[in-house]
Amino acid sequence: DGGITQSPKYLFRKEGQNVTLSCEQNLNHDAMYWYRQDPGQGLRLIYYSQIVNDFQKGDIAEGYSVSREKKESFPLTVTSAQKNPTAFYLCASRPPGHVNTEAFFGQGTRLTVV
Amino acid sequence: GENVEQHPSTLSVQEGDSAVIKCTYSDSASNYFPWYKQELGKGPQLIIDIRSNVGEKKDQRIAVTLNKTAKHFSLHITETQPEDSAVYFCAASTVDSWGKLQFGAGTQVVVTP
Repeated sequence: DGGITQSPKYLFRKEGQNVTLSCEQNLNHDAMYWYRQDPGQGLRLIYYSQIVNDFQKGDIAEGYSVSREKKESFPLTVTSAQKNPTAFYLCASRPPGHVNTEAFFGQGTRLTVV
Repeated sequence: GENVEQHPSTLSVQEGDSAVIKCTYSDSASNYFPWYKQELGKGPQLIIDIRSNVGEKKDQRIAVTLNKTAKHFSLHITETQPEDSAVYFCAASTVDSWGKLQFGAGTQVVVTP
């Protein structure tokens, strides 16, 4: 089955720790995105990548980092610098010629700081 | 940058009635407007989209209309069913925005039998 896989589904982090959220896609998509979702709010863009070894900051990149070493993978690290990391994180991808095409989303990772 | 506003934030409808969700956008260069449905604990799924060269698009019980002059677009769901209960998001993007979607805040739709 083709799709986007996010793992883990639930993640608990102690304050001061870095955690990495996984996003893998086998759709052969070039563009990949990370969004954060908070209750009662829309999705806000954290980082995005158009091609391997290249990525750009979105609207709320502070306290996050990413890498794009492989086309299929776009992991997100939530660092200790992110003061309010508890949220639902969504990864998405878009196919080649991605402008004005559907973005496909993973099932999300719910991160909770304990 | 683009700003998308979505109303209402919650919508309760009787099964069989119609539901309408409205969004406005600020960037006149926006030319792609998707609507996503999100069920609890899951990722959003595209239900319909429209491009700026089209004024209306329909897919069975779902339709989207776009008014470029007024910079607003709407989602219409007819003959609502309990399985239509979910959060719906509108979004907008421009050709030169590298596919970045700007989302509205979402509408919680509850369809009561």
